[in-house]
Amino acid sequence: KAGVTQTPRYLIKTRGQQVTLSCSPISGHRSVSWYQQTPGQGLQFLFEYFSETQRNKGNFPGRFSGRQFSNSRSEMNVSTLELGDSALYLCASSLGPAGGGYTFGSGTRLTVV
Amino acid sequence: DAKTTQPPSMDCAEGRAANLPCNHSTISGNEYVYWYRQIHSQGPQYIIHGLKNNETNEMASLIITEDRKSSTLILPHATLRDTAVYYCIVRVAGWEYGNKLVFGAGTILRVKS
Repeated sequence: KAGVTQTPRYLIKTRGQQVTLSCSPISGHRSVSWYQQTPGQGLQFLFEYFSETQRNKGNFPGRFSGRQFSNSRSEMNVSTLELGDSALYLCASSLGPAGGGYTFGSGTRLTVV
Repeated sequence: DAKTTQPPSMDCAEGRAANLPCNHSTISGNEYVYWYRQIHSQGPQYIIHGLKNNETNEMASLIITEDRKSSTLILPHATLRDTAVYYCIVRVAGWEYGNKLVFGAGTILRVKS
């Protein structure tokens, strides 16, 4: 079966712009989570969505937001981009929020210049 | 979620067993031990998880000590493709806790020919 699909794979944006990243979970998976990975901070949890509702949120500023659609696809948005937002953004899906193994996508590499 | 401690790096000869330790001395009774790995520039890959019994799947074995304060991930016959960062994560699984994973720095496993 198809895995978690993230688009685009690479993105270059300018400081001050905004960006939207997309994640399509595995078919049947209803929980989608987002993570940011940087060399300095490692992998950090951004937020989790289930049935179009945000269930958990990490310690990130309000410039980072997300949403989930009725088909479980999810988007995350970063407004007023800063150089420090350059990172690999990873999406993971699972059947539900009750534990078990996640499946991660390959990520979107965002570079802010 | 309980904190985990892992060695920063380990080397293993190809074809030999790789034993990756993890300390989680503050683990609670309802917390599971999860292992993920991340090969360079890819999303983390789920390996295995367990509560208190030893677990085995097609990828690896997980040995949890009786007091649950530490565990060992065993890759029985390491190959060059097992070179990756391995993350040990402790988390509570359940509907009310959601799917947030707290990643540490992990162990860089280098498999050498």
